[in-house]
Amino acid sequence: EVQLVESGGGLVQPGGSLRLSCAASGFTFSSYWMTWVRQAPGKGLEWVANIKQDGSENYYVNSVKGRFTISRDNAKNSLYLQMNSLRAEDTAVYYCATGNPSGVWGKGTTVTVSS
Amino acid sequence: DIVMTQSPDSLAVSLGERATINCKSSRSVLYRSNNKNYLAWYQQKPGQPPKLLISWASTRESGVPDRFSGSGSETDFTLTISSLQAEDVAVYFCQQYYSTPPLTFGGGTKVEIK
Repeated sequence: EVQLVESGGGLVQPGGSLRLSCAASGFTFSSYWMTWVRQAPGKGLEWVANIKQDGSENYYVNSVKGRFTISRDNAKNSLYLQMNSLRAEDTAVYYCATGNPSGVWGKGTTVTVSS
Repeated sequence: DIVMTQSPDSLAVSLGERATINCKSSRSVLYRSNNKNYLAWYQQKPGQPPKLLISWASTRESGVPDRFSGSGSETDFTLTISSLQAEDVAVYFCQQYYSTPPLTFGGGTKVEIK
């Protein structure tokens, strides 16, 4: 079964850090661009970052540049999002997804930034 | 950045009737060298992640009922549900993947039963 499972979300204070993980199974992870998309409570979808199959290219939405880092480990079939200097506006459900467009999505992990 | 604008924000349609959602991009998403529109449609039901319905503006994903269809080109696109079913109640998003970064989504259209 094709599956993406996110983990690592939680409650963090403004200025803090979190590392999200996404475990992939059921498909050839190393063949796909991978993407992080977030959804603030009651809001729409916002693309956050993506990374090429071999990790040689990555791109970010302007609002997270310099604070978030996307990475992957193809040997472990895993995608990561290191989030530093977190702000209240980063509060959202974070989804990992395959490709562009995104055909497979995880169920998401919730990040809450609050004091 | 390419801005995606959806309309309406919400619509209520009777069961069995047609639902039409519009999506307009601020720039063309048609790549002329392969004549493909880099436009996707997603469905998101409450408490669930989005589901890819249509890619390349009009290509239904495997398993998507044929009552869902996509049309349009360059800057103007439409998602049509030909005969609304109860299970189609959801929020629908368009997304351009022509120009990255960033890949941009429309604001969403909520479809409800009248």
